Amino acid sequence: DAGVTQSPTHLIKTRGQQVTLRCSPKSGHDTVSWYQQALGQGPQFIFQYYEEEERQRGNFPDRFSGHQFPNYSSELNVNALLLGDSALYLCASSQPGPPLVGEKLFFGSGTQLSVL
Amino acid sequence: GENVEQHPSTLSVQEGDSAVIKCTYSDSASNYFPWYKQELGKRPQLIIDIRSNVGEKKDQRIAVTLNKTAKHFSLHITETQPEDSAVYFCAASSYGQNFVFGPGTRLSVLP
Repeated sequence: DAGVTQSPTHLIKTRGQQVTLRCSPKSGHDTVSWYQQALGQGPQFIFQYYEEEERQRGNFPDRFSGHQFPNYSSELNVNALLLGDSALYLCASSQPGPPLVGEKLFFGSGTQLSVL
Repeated sequence: GENVEQHPSTLSVQEGDSAVIKCTYSDSASNYFPWYKQELGKRPQLIIDIRSNVGEKKDQRIAVTLNKTAKHFSLHITETQPEDSAVYFCAASSYGQNFVFGPGTRLSVLP
């Protein structure tokens, strides 16, 4: 059973460019969340997708957008990249279910984005 | 919104000793508190979690305690081993929504 997979693993972009990151959730999971983890900090919630809709959003600008596909995979898009967007972007999936089941987040290994 | 603080930021212990990491949260609506371990260059992995209707939970050498009144929870690792060296993150959530993570604690277990 494959866990959460993300691609690419590393990416280098220049300021002003646009980037798309991809995530496939763990088998049986239908909810995908995206997090930004700056160096030496904890993950910060960007948004969550469920049933192909953005269900929740953290404190991130509209330059950050996403999409969820019918097979539950997801994309994170960032437009007009800034130097401060350099970070590890983590995708986490979770499954529907009762408390202590549906809440458990399973993380991918992340995409390391460097903006020059 | 929720705010999670975590202390200490770094912790060094001798192998075999215990380690304790503490977190506080601000939103009384939070009811789910997981702990994640992140080894260098790897994904965060859930190691233990607790809900607000439970005061303590233990899994082998790892335990978590929760004081809902004081809004703080702690991770306890006993008989530490070198493989316990990693960054540990606490988090708070309300019904699996609005996860807020602490800034992390870098634990070093010295041989």
